[in-house]
Amino acid sequence: DVVMTQTPLSLPVSLGDQASISCRSSQSLVHSNGNTYLHWYLQKPGQSPKLLIYKVSNRFSGVPDRFSGSGSGTDFTLKISRVEAEDLGVYFCSQSTHVPTFGGGTKLEIK
Amino acid sequence: EVKLEESGGGLVQPGGSMKLSCVASGFTFSSYWMSWVRQSPEKGLEWVAEIRLKSDNYATHYAESVKGKFTISRDDSKSRLYLQMNSLRAEDTGIYYCTGLGDAMDYWGQGTSVTVSS
Repeated sequence: DVVMTQTPLSLPVSLGDQASISCRSSQSLVHSNGNTYLHWYLQKPGQSPKLLIYKVSNRFSGVPDRFSGSGSGTDFTLKISRVEAEDLGVYFCSQSTHVPTFGGGTKLEIK
Repeated sequence: EVKLEESGGGLVQPGGSMKLSCVASGFTFSSYWMSWVRQSPEKGLEWVAEIRLKSDNYATHYAESVKGKFTISRDDSKSRLYLQMNSLRAEDTGIYYCTGLGDAMDYWGQGTSVTVSS
């Protein structure tokens, strides 16, 4: 299975700061159809995960534009500009190019 | 509003069986691939199984850890997804989510908790 490694494990931030989370895969996530199926999810306390970004850089419906995704191949980044209180929770990267797998999560918390 | 609601979880003894159900609303269920994902403190988020569309002959795929033990199915007329789980072991304990698949796992239910313990 493809191993997804997220860093950091915990990310203390001040409200209004920018936050950046890294995700690396053990294999290339470029599908034979040319798409890269790397996605980002946010799980707020007591809730199920919710899709934020799909296929590297596409914001899902209703996701604010302060969330952006980038990367290629095996290295990917989620950036949150101007962190707000509602952004706190655990962020997961995931791939579905191969058998789906998830990263271990990055907890975004207030400094 | 898209809604997925799981049910059927609870406490089951090792070696036992359990059937989870998920009812969907707010989107055209029959047009979406669907999957089950589970979450536990020990293993984190883990994809369990996927089922495709009628036009795909309802093709199914399973994680190696559940192959031969779990069966995913759907009833498009009822907008329901199911997961039949047999030969349950302690490592199957977790919260089970049903998800609707677009380019990613677009929609998630709130989850149902399964505990395998004597």
